[in-house]
Amino acid sequence: TQLLEQSPQFLSIQEGENLTVYCNSSSVFSSLQWYRQEPGEGPVLLVTVVTGGEVKKLKRLTFQFGDARKDSSLHITAAQPGDTGLYLCAGAPAGGTSYGKLTFGQGTILTVHP
Amino acid sequence: DTEVTQTPKHLVMGMTNKKSLKCEQHMGHRAMYWYKQKAKKPPELMFVYSYEKLSINESVPSRFSPECPNSSLLNLHLHALQPEDSALYLCASSGWGNEKLFFGSGTQLSVL
Repeated sequence: TQLLEQSPQFLSIQEGENLTVYCNSSSVFSSLQWYRQEPGEGPVLLVTVVTGGEVKKLKRLTFQFGDARKDSSLHITAAQPGDTGLYLCAGAPAGGTSYGKLTFGQGTILTVHP
Repeated sequence: DTEVTQTPKHLVMGMTNKKSLKCEQHMGHRAMYWYKQKAKKPPELMFVYSYEKLSINESVPSRFSPECPNSSLLNLHLHALQPEDSALYLCASSGWGNEKLFFGSGTQLSVL
């Protein structure tokens, strides 16, 4: 069974601060996705990283995939209250078709105070 | 159209009731999923349909019965649920072999 350890579980910061969320595993993933979920809604895909060492930027969000494709990070610069939500990483297993069996991290609940 | 539509948004049911959750997508996706999510926790996979056939059942109790009438529709039939089944039920779809999931807004289910 593949596991994704996501940390921190909770993050409460002031507007304008920077933050980083980590997802780590001993397993290799063919790709890793980051989702954000707001209360009462389903998760929304932010980005997918596929290549080891890959870095993707989405405005103030920077996503990194580890060289060995076992870990990933999400860095938010100058957080805003609109960034508040549950952030989820999800890995697709390497080797063969995953058949949709993503492994989710435990989630990070981010609260950005004005 | 990049939406996954779920109905109803909220559902309250007694333990003896029978109800159904509905999900629809028009993105041409051939894989559809049911997930269960407890508050502030990650989604837990329940079922996966591939090309309208059930391909994964994650040992879900038989009081949950999925159905895929066609490539755009996915239902989850509920019967004799327990209070611990109260949760947000999420439907998702993806192109087969492409694991990017498109989620609906979910049905918030309360079992009394």
